[in-house]
Amino acid sequence: GAVVSQHPSWVICKSGTSVKIECRSLDFQATTMFWYRQFPKQSLMLMATSNEGSKATYEQGVEKDKFLINHASLTLSTLTVTSAHPEDSSFYICSARDARQGRAIRYGYTFGSGTRLTVV
Amino acid sequence: AQSVTQLGSHVSVSEGALVLLRCNYSSSVPPYLFWYVQYPNQGLQLLLKYTTGATLVKGINGFEAEFKKSETSFHLTKPSAHMSDAAEYFCAVSDGGGYNKLIFGAGTRLAVHP
Repeated sequence: GAVVSQHPSWVICKSGTSVKIECRSLDFQATTMFWYRQFPKQSLMLMATSNEGSKATYEQGVEKDKFLINHASLTLSTLTVTSAHPEDSSFYICSARDARQGRAIRYGYTFGSGTRLTVV
Repeated sequence: AQSVTQLGSHVSVSEGALVLLRCNYSSSVPPYLFWYVQYPNQGLQLLLKYTTGATLVKGINGFEAEFKKSETSFHLTKPSAHMSDAAEYFCAVSDGGGYNKLIFGAGTRLAVHP
């Protein structure tokens, strides 16, 4: 089946620094990646959608200059939290999809294992 | 616009009892519906999905769900709960049908007690 590897699984950083989270599809080509944020005991909120080779589409209220998304290849998308602050502490989860015809039906969405970000 | 409502943020059952987690959706197009399970500090694992065809969908770990268009529901059931089923469960609908971005419900935490 389709596998998505997300790293790191947890990270602690100092306020004001930047953190990069990687989401890698291991055995399929992820033409589309979704990035979610999850607060404790809450649901997943979509932050942005990225298609390989094009700019990400951010959801309303998400600062695109703060949460930089790069989807430069069919197997890798990255989320960079710039100038992190304690309020950015959260659980971030990526999801990948092979949107080419016929493949989405087979694989649907595949989620990474998540990244716990703590900003101190 | 699509939306999902999960009735009951917490459900508690005895081991061996029936599990019923409720999900109602709103969609202006034929929906693609999903149930996911999440264990603490982990990503989401797909339990089952409905896209087209048979309305009774069987998933992993003994779970199943039935798509009822007339009731706009997609409730998740399991005949006999196991301790390992304790987790957070999310119902989701794809935005605009197909495999577009997912809209998640608020989640239901399932507790299973001996």
